[in-house]
Amino acid sequence: DTGVSQDPRHKITKRGQNVTFRCDPISEHNRLYWYRQTLGQGPEFLTYFQNEAQLEKSRLLSDRFSAERPKGSFSTLEIQRTEQGDSAMYLCASSLAGGSTDTQYFGPGTRLTVL
Amino acid sequence: AQSVTQLDSHVSVSEGTPVLLRCNYSSSYSPSLFWYVQHPNKGLQLLLKYTSAATLVKGINGFEAEFKKSETSFHLTKPSAHMSDAAEYFCVVSDSWGSNYQLIWGAGTKLIIKP
Repeated sequence: DTGVSQDPRHKITKRGQNVTFRCDPISEHNRLYWYRQTLGQGPEFLTYFQNEAQLEKSRLLSDRFSAERPKGSFSTLEIQRTEQGDSAMYLCASSLAGGSTDTQYFGPGTRLTVL
Repeated sequence: AQSVTQLDSHVSVSEGTPVLLRCNYSSSYSPSLFWYVQHPNKGLQLLLKYTSAATLVKGINGFEAEFKKSETSFHLTKPSAHMSDAAEYFCVVSDSWGSNYQLIWGAGTKLIIKP
C-alpha cells in the first residue's frame, strides 16, 4: 500500500534561503492539498489542486509561497526567502473527488526549521 | 461560517477506562465530520467519518463517534483505553454542499493514558 509520501522529512535552513518540498499522492487520487501545522495547533489549509489546476489558495498564503502540480501527479511547494515564522510542519494530503464526500489521506509531513 | 471547538485541550484517563473526547461544530450546511489521530512524529490518520448516513459511526481501533444534530456535537468515545491510544486527536468539519475540499480543524485534544 503506497500512501502519501513527502520528501524531505526534515529541512533545516537559514533565514533568506529558498526551500522546496515534494509530495507524491496516492496514485489514483486527483486532488492534492497542502497544509501547515504549528505546534499545538491543527493543520491550516494552504492550497489545493484538482489534477494540475490550482483551484484555491488561502488568503493567508504569502506571495513567497508557490505550489505546482505540473502533470497532475506529484506536487512541489516552494518557499522563497524563508523567515523564522515559516518554521512548521508542512503536510500534504490527497483524495479522490466524487461521491458525497472525499476523504483526505495525509503524508508524514516535512518539518521545516528556519534558523 | 463553519467552526469546530474541541472542548478539552488535554484528557487524561487510566488504561482500561473509557475515553470521551468532546467536539462541537457549527455549520451552515449538512456537514461531513471527521476524527483524525496524530501520533508523535507520525502523519495524520483518519479514525472515522460521518457523511449523513448512520449517526453512530464506528472507526478503527475501537473508536466510535455519534453525530447529534440537536446538540451540534460529534464526540469521540472508546470503551477501554489502551496505552497505544496516547496521541493528539483532531475533530474536523467539511461542508458537503460545496466541493467538500476545505477542512476546518479543531485545535486538537491530547489524550494521555496513565498506566
